[in-house]
Amino acid sequence: GNSVTQMEGPVTLSEEAFLTINCTYTATGYPSLFWYVQYPGEGLQLLLKATKADDKGSNKGFEATYRKETTSFHLEKGSVQVSDSAVYFCALAGFQKLVFGTGTRLLVSP
Amino acid sequence: IAGITQAPTSQILAAGRRMTLRCTQDMRHNAMYWYRQDLGLGLRLIHYSNTAGTTGKGEVPDGYSVSRANTDDFPLTLASAVPSQTSVYFCASSWTSGNEQFFGPGTRLTVL
Repeated sequence: GNSVTQMEGPVTLSEEAFLTINCTYTATGYPSLFWYVQYPGEGLQLLLKATKADDKGSNKGFEATYRKETTSFHLEKGSVQVSDSAVYFCALAGFQKLVFGTGTRLLVSP
Repeated sequence: IAGITQAPTSQILAAGRRMTLRCTQDMRHNAMYWYRQDLGLGLRLIHYSNTAGTTGKGEVPDGYSVSRANTDDFPLTLASAVPSQTSVYFCASSWTSGNEQFFGPGTRLTVL
């Protein structure tokens, strides 16, 4: 069946550091892929998405490329800010629902 | 403002009591979902509805029921709450099933 695996957190970085959060998936076919972000005390917000292989999703300085060869959709940002501290969820579009990873907490210190 | 609203924001409930969590969206989305979020477990799908009048079971449906009488509303009912149902509950919607989902702010439920 479909599944998503994310790196365990927390990921702790200093401000302006480079960020990578790994995400790999198992799926039938080539589903759409998503990154969601959850700030403390809030619901999930869509951060970016990619609908087909080699697509790059980007938003707010974050990027992720749909790699079918490695079945990956790693999230990257060149220079993180304290305000990026949140939990990040990778997800894929399965049959009738989204399949989420368990989330990765990012902590950015000044 | 278009979006999803949930009520109540938080609730403390005695075990054995009945509770309905409310969810309303004004985006005319066809599909709606209920998730619970527990520390270390991520999001788990409880129930979903692909369109008004239909519902389906997710990963953890036991102890919960839903109805979808119209497009906008998707209430989640706990018939007899138990402490293991202590969690944060999120409602979500999407244009069609399998597309990107939009989430509500959540309801924090504590069952004592």
